[in-house]
Amino acid sequence: GQQVMQIPQYQHVQEGEDFTTYCNSSTTLSNIQWYKQRPGGHPVFLIQLVKSGEVKKQKRLTFQFGEAKKNSSLHITATQTTDVGTYFCAGPRVGGYQKVTFGTGTKLQVIP
Amino acid sequence: NAGVTQTPKFQVLKTGQSMTLQCAQDMNHEYMSWYRQDPGMGLRLIHYSVGAGITDQGEVPNGYNVSRSTTEDFPLRLLSAAPSQTSVYFCASSYVPPKGGSNEQFFGPGTRLTVL
Repeated sequence: GQQVMQIPQYQHVQEGEDFTTYCNSSTTLSNIQWYKQRPGGHPVFLIQLVKSGEVKKQKRLTFQFGEAKKNSSLHITATQTTDVGTYFCAGPRVGGYQKVTFGTGTKLQVIP
Repeated sequence: NAGVTQTPKFQVLKTGQSMTLQCAQDMNHEYMSWYRQDPGMGLRLIHYSVGAGITDQGEVPNGYNVSRSTTEDFPLRLLSAAPSQTSVYFCASSYVPPKGGSNEQFFGPGTRLTVL
């Protein structure tokens, strides 16, 4: 079945440092979504990428979808304590319609 | 709009007991899904539905049943609870894109289930 791995599993950064998490799927994805889950909370949608090679920005967050639509990345510039949480990528494989597989997640800790 | 609601918030079961986790949404979303979240394993899809009367299995369906008699409700039934089903369960919903793929999913607050 489809597998979606994320690296790193954990990341501790000093406030103000940059952070990147990488997402790799075993199959080609129709699209990719990114979610953030605060400790004790539920996943909250951040963004969706659809096109090969697409890049989107949200303030300090930059999202990229690979050319082959099998990988993606999320980069945070100058982290803040409000960025703490676990970041998940998720997406259906091509032809998988709504059967969305979530990545393993990257837990970000920001040290003030 | 209440969004996606789940009940109960917490539940403790004994091995072999059965129960139903409730999920409801008021956004008229066609798609609803159930995930379980275990430490270090992300969210794993249990079952999903693309509309009333239509359900399908996800990655980890064994031990769980679902039905979708209305657009709003998507209950998850544990037939005979086992300690391996101790987890946090999330329900989610979204619109269905007309040309396939997926859309933003809205998650409920979750149910923390412990099976002794």
